[in-house]
Amino acid sequence: NAGVTQTPKFRILKIGQSMTLQCTQDMNHNYMYWYRQDPGMGLKLIYYSVGAGITDKGEVPNGYNVSRSTTEDFPLRLELAAPSQTSVYFCASSYPEGGSAYNEQFFGPGTRLTVL
Amino acid sequence: AQSVAQPEDQVNVAEGNPLTVKCTYSVSGNPYLFWYVQYPNRGLQFLLKYITGDNLVKGSYGFEAEFNKSQTSFHLKKPSALVSDSALYFCAVRDALDGGATNKLIFGTGTLLAVQP
Repeated sequence: NAGVTQTPKFRILKIGQSMTLQCTQDMNHNYMYWYRQDPGMGLKLIYYSVGAGITDKGEVPNGYNVSRSTTEDFPLRLELAAPSQTSVYFCASSYPEGGSAYNEQFFGPGTRLTVL
Repeated sequence: AQSVAQPEDQVNVAEGNPLTVKCTYSVSGNPYLFWYVQYPNRGLQFLLKYITGDNLVKGSYGFEAEFNKSQTSFHLKKPSALVSDSALYFCAVRDALDGGATNKLIFGTGTLLAVQP
């Protein structure tokens, strides 16, 4: 299994440009998440999904959008890039067991985004 | 409000000495607690978790963590530090407001562990 994969690894955007960060998992996990990591701030949840066709906002959703058309893929869209979106973005996945979600999340390697 | 606190931005320890990385949490009900490690320019890797049972949990790479309900703490420990343990460590607690239905995690701000040779 490749686990959770993310593309691209690095990207530089100009203010106002748009882009999509790709995330794919091959573990048949129902739950997927997008985080951003800023120095000294830990990880903040942007959006999450509990299955194909179901998405919901996390703690910091402004400026982002997501879709979940398949179990495997969970892309994150930035429509009008702003310098405040300069960050490292991580995708993660997990699965519920026994009707409750006890399991750890598995993380991708991250995408480092700079907006200038 | 639900939260995780890691009071130390950085912990310095000499190789071979025991290490402790501190974590306290605030969440309603029984907490589900996790430790992750992040090496430079990498994603987070799961180390260990506490769900229920024995308060001392053993995990990967010789790490363990002690759950203390009265002190609402979940400190990460290792008896003998290695230089290769140098990394950023995150404590997390499962969001309890939705009964755990979404398995969302609340992360601390991270502690940088530096092990000197």
